[in-house]
Amino acid sequence: NAGVTQTPKFRILKIGQSMTLQCTQDMNHNYMYWYRQDPGMGLKLIYYSVGAGITDKGEVPNGYNVSRSTTEDFPLRLELAAPSQTSVYFCASKDSNTGELFFGEGSRLTVL
Amino acid sequence: QQQVKQSPQSLIVQKGGISIINCAYENTAFDYFPWYQQFPGKGPALLIAIRPDVSEKKEGRFTISFNKSAKQFSLHIMDSQPGDSATYFCAALLGSGNTGKLIFGQGTTLQVKP
Repeated sequence: NAGVTQTPKFRILKIGQSMTLQCTQDMNHNYMYWYRQDPGMGLKLIYYSVGAGITDKGEVPNGYNVSRSTTEDFPLRLELAAPSQTSVYFCASKDSNTGELFFGEGSRLTVL
Repeated sequence: QQQVKQSPQSLIVQKGGISIINCAYENTAFDYFPWYQQFPGKGPALLIAIRPDVSEKKEGRFTISFNKSAKQFSLHIMDSQPGDSATYFCAALLGSGNTGKLIFGQGTTLQVKP
């Protein structure tokens, strides 16, 4: 039982480069989320999706984009990477029956 | 105000002691309060949760105490064990049902010394 899978686990980017963080879940959850975690700041919501084809902004969406073409996949794209985007990124999906979030193991991104 | 304030930032407890982590909120629209536990290198995982119609919920050694009038809730870990060493996040659900979004506290790093 894979749950929520994120790739890559680690990545170093140069300023101005772009990349996509991949997220896939096998629990058939409609709701999916992207958070970033910074020391002492908790988890901040970047974008979320309530189902295929529907996405919306969270608390800190600037510099990011998402798409949701299937129920399983919810990739996060960083355009023109900046040092402020150095963080650990977590993807999560929600069990609509219980409200519980299931998180991936995270993607650690460093922008130099 | 959509913030959840969590304290302390870090906590060291001896094995067998009680660990207490506190959270406070302002928005009375929050109506679901989970706690998530995160081990190093892993994603957070749901530990225990409470709704505001009860004042306490206990699951094994973990208890949530909820004070609606004070807009505060806390996690108590009884008989703390080294295996409890992790980062703990409180959270609050803003909005109703499935469309609600979780707002997380800043996190508390707990170290339980053997």
